[in-house]
Amino acid sequence: SYVLTQPPSVSVAPGNTASFSCGGDNIEHELVHWYQQKPGQAPVLVIQFDSGRPSGIPERFSASNSGNAATLTITKVDAGDEADYYCQVWDSSSNRPIFGGGTRLTVL
Amino acid sequence: QVHLEQSGAEVKKPGASVTVSCKTSGYTYINYIIVWVRQAPGQGLEWMGWVKTHDGDTNYAENLQGRVTMTTDPVTSTSYMELRSLRSDDTAIYYCARSVVAGPGSYIDYWGRGTQVTVSS
Repeated sequence: SYVLTQPPSVSVAPGNTASFSCGGDNIEHELVHWYQQKPGQAPVLVIQFDSGRPSGIPERFSASNSGNAATLTITKVDAGDEADYYCQVWDSSSNRPIFGGGTRLTVL
Repeated sequence: QVHLEQSGAEVKKPGASVTVSCKTSGYTYINYIIVWVRQAPGQGLEWMGWVKTHDGDTNYAENLQGRVTMTTDPVTSTSYMELRSLRSDDTAIYYCARSVVAGPGSYIDYWGRGTQVTVSS
């Protein structure tokens, strides 16, 4: 089945830019969605269909998908962005959605 | 506004069953599917399956086949997830969530707050 690989952690200073990778075989041919999960809360959709921002998600959040990696980028990071970030695609071989293992963002 | 209200926390003994409910509001229930996702302590998100709310058609994760049943009640806009023969590694937060598509491109746009299920002797 398809596997999504995310680094376990990312650290960034306030005001800087955080980037999260999501690796998968030819992932550029998949539609990638991203979720933010703050401690003790349910996940929230932050990016749909590779780069679309749902209503209410700040423009600081953007994403792209190319080759074997999709990337979520958050500019002007602040403490409120500390969370786990998960990518998700549809796995045609198993006929189900799959999630990456998640990346924890720490704001220094 | 879209809202998914889940039932309260449960503590169960190994071998028992648990049923979690998910009452929805703020949208046309049968136009979306309900997905169930669980998260073990300190772990990532695991898709458990979905139920098509208009006809009850289901798709379950392979590792839960035979132990899980997801149902739908369009009259009350409520979905249910029953997990049987509980084991300690079923201890997790169980989320119900709304999805537009039951296939390629599928994603979750709204989540419930989660239900803690603890399996302990």
